[in-house]
Formats: sequence, structure tokens, C-alpha cells
Amino acid sequence: GEEVAQTPKHLVRGEGQKAKLYCAPIKGHSYVFWYQQVLKNEFKFLISFQNENVFDETGMPKERFSAKCLPNSPCSLEIQATKLEDSAVYFCASSQSLAGMFARSTDTQYFGPGTRLTVL
Amino acid sequence: AQKITQTQPGMFVQEKEAVTLDCTYDTSDPSYGLFWYKQPSSGEMIFLIYQGSYDQQNATEGRYSLNFQKARKSANLVISASQLGDSAMYFCAMREVTGTASKLTFGTGTRLQVTL
Repeated sequence: GEEVAQTPKHLVRGEGQKAKLYCAPIKGHSYVFWYQQVLKNEFKFLISFQNENVFDETGMPKERFSAKCLPNSPCSLEIQATKLEDSAVYFCASSQSLAGMFARSTDTQYFGPGTRLTVL
Repeated sequence: AQKITQTQPGMFVQEKEAVTLDCTYDTSDPSYGLFWYKQPSSGEMIFLIYQGSYDQQNATEGRYSLNFQKARKSANLVISASQLGDSAMYFCAMREVTGTASKLTFGTGTRLQVTL
């Protein structure tokens, strides 16, 4: 599609429960990114994919977070055993390219509407 | 050190006036991209404008322009002829082209309020 799609819009989980978020990137975009926005103005990068391959996972808290992008399926971000501090808006973004040596406008990351996760 | 600094937590501007939102950045990479995003109260992140570090001209997109001063490491967003719908949070972000790094680093944002 022409926009990044994310589902669900809202997700409420009790502490310790699993949460799974989905993202469909813009058609033709090879790169997918996940970010966590806490406190309305702090963005934390989690992970990125090049097609179905993990590209950069330097921001992932590996103990409880996992992510996948499988062919012909939406990408997913899963949180096992959610904690109160996981409450945040999770954004997925996609880009057409990722510059190798020189920054390009096609590196622009377009964001989905976000999934608001509330852990009670 | 902060990679992206937005020193104005909040700004007010009157409708139809121009406003400048400040952004300074810190990088030692020669190649990087700078981006501005708008986040209205509804929560989505809307891409506004991009500037590459090697771009010779300042970027413009409709009422948005980027005042890029490379030596000062600043990338201020200028919104001309402000409209009520411009009221939102504005985030400056940078992507450094280094190794396999892919992430955007964001500033803490500026909340813009457009008044009648």
C-alpha cells in the first residue's frame, strides 16, 4: 500500500502477558524499522530489517523482545512477559533504501500510525 | 553529548506569520541525513522535509524550508504562513551513514502552538 499500516491501534495487557504488534510496510520499501516512543518525546530505536533479514538490532532488549519480517506476511514485534515500563507507543517505519555511503532522500523513513501499548 | 538538540520546548506563533524551529546536531560523519517530522495530537508521525549533508541547496517543500548551516551544525525548520493545523510537536532527526547503523536519532521535540 501507499502507507505504513500498523495493527492494532491500541493494546492493553496485564503485566506478564504477551503482546504482539504488526506492521505492513509501504509496497516496494525494503527496510522496516521499529521505534518505541515513551513520555511523548523520547524515541528509542529497537530493530531494523532489510526484507526478511535483521539489519540492525542494536536497540533490542533481547530478553523479552523479538521481531520478524517474513515473506508475504506483515512484520511483527513481540514482547514476552510485558512489564509496566513497556507501556509506550510503538512505531513501525519503512524506507525505500538505506544509504551505503551517501545519504539520499530515498532513505526517508515513513512512519505508521503507531500502536499504543498499555501494560497494567 | 546529545546528538540532536532542540532547545525550544514550546513556541507560539500567530496565524499567517513565519516561525523557525531550531535544531542543532552533533556528528563526526561526513555523510548524514537530517529530517523533520510533525506529530499532531492524534499521534501519527508525518514526514515533512529532508536535507542531505552533501546537498548544495537548502531543502524546501511547500511552506516548509530547512535553513541548513553545515559549519554551525544546525538544521532549522522554517514554516511560512502558519496555519492553525500546524499546531503540533515537531521533531528533528538525523541518520548517520556509518557501518550498518540505520536508526534515526531524534531530538526531544518542540511543541508549536498557532494562535489566531
